[in-house]
Amino acid sequence: GQQLNQSPQSMFIQEGEDVSMNCTSSSIFNTWLWYKQDPGEGPVLLIALYKAGELTSNGRLTAQFGITRKDSFLNISASIPSDVGIYFCAGRTRSGGSNYKLTFGKGTLLTVNP
Amino acid sequence: DGGITQSPKYLFRKEGQNVTLSCEQNLNHDAMYWYRQDPGQGLRLIYYSQIVHDFQKGDIAEGYSVSREKKESFPLTVTSAQKNPTAFYLCASSREGQGSVSYSNQPQHFGDGTRLSIL
Repeated sequence: GQQLNQSPQSMFIQEGEDVSMNCTSSSIFNTWLWYKQDPGEGPVLLIALYKAGELTSNGRLTAQFGITRKDSFLNISASIPSDVGIYFCAGRTRSGGSNYKLTFGKGTLLTVNP
Repeated sequence: DGGITQSPKYLFRKEGQNVTLSCEQNLNHDAMYWYRQDPGQGLRLIYYSQIVHDFQKGDIAEGYSVSREKKESFPLTVTSAQKNPTAFYLCASSREGQGSVSYSNQPQHFGDGTRLSIL
C-alpha cells in the first residue's frame, strides 16, 4: 500500500523558534492535509492543500503542496508552548476504490520549552 | 454545536468479550471512518463507509466489524478475534459520498477517541 515518510519523528525546540517538518512519498497524492493531535484527543485539521505548488497559511502555520505531488511541508513560525503536540500529514488519492481514504504519516512529536 | 461524538472515552475488555465503540455525528456527513492508533504510529484505517448501508474494509479490518444503519451512526465492534485490541480508536467523518464529485476533496474531521484496554 501507499506509505508516507514523515520527518523528523520528534523535535525539541525553544519557544520563539521556527519549526519545519515534511512528508514524502513514492506515490502521487491529490490532496495533502496537516493535522495536530493533543494528548488523549482526536486530530484537528490545521491546513488542507488541493493543488500542486499551493502554498497556504493559517496564522503562524504555512504549508505547501509539493510540485511533484509527492511531498508536503509544514512550517510553524515563532513557536509557543501550546504548539506542543503530534503533527500528522495525510495524503489522499482520487482514483478507484481508494477515493475516500487517507494515508497518514507516523507523526512528528513537537516539544516546546518555555 | 455540530461535531463527532465518540463514547465511551475509556473502555475495558475482558478476554473473549466483544465490545462496541460508539460514533455519532450531526454534521450531515456522508462518509464515516474508523482508525486505530498505536503509540508512535500513524493512523491505520479499519473500516470506512461512504454511504448508509454500505461499508468497506480498510487496511486492518480483521477482528473488527461495523454497521451503518443510519447516516449519523457508525459503531465499531472489537471482537474476541482481535488478539491485540489495546489501542486508541478514532472515528472520523467527511462530507462526501458516491456521486458527490463536488465534495470529493472535503477533509476528514475526527472525534476525541476511545481508549480500549484489556483487563
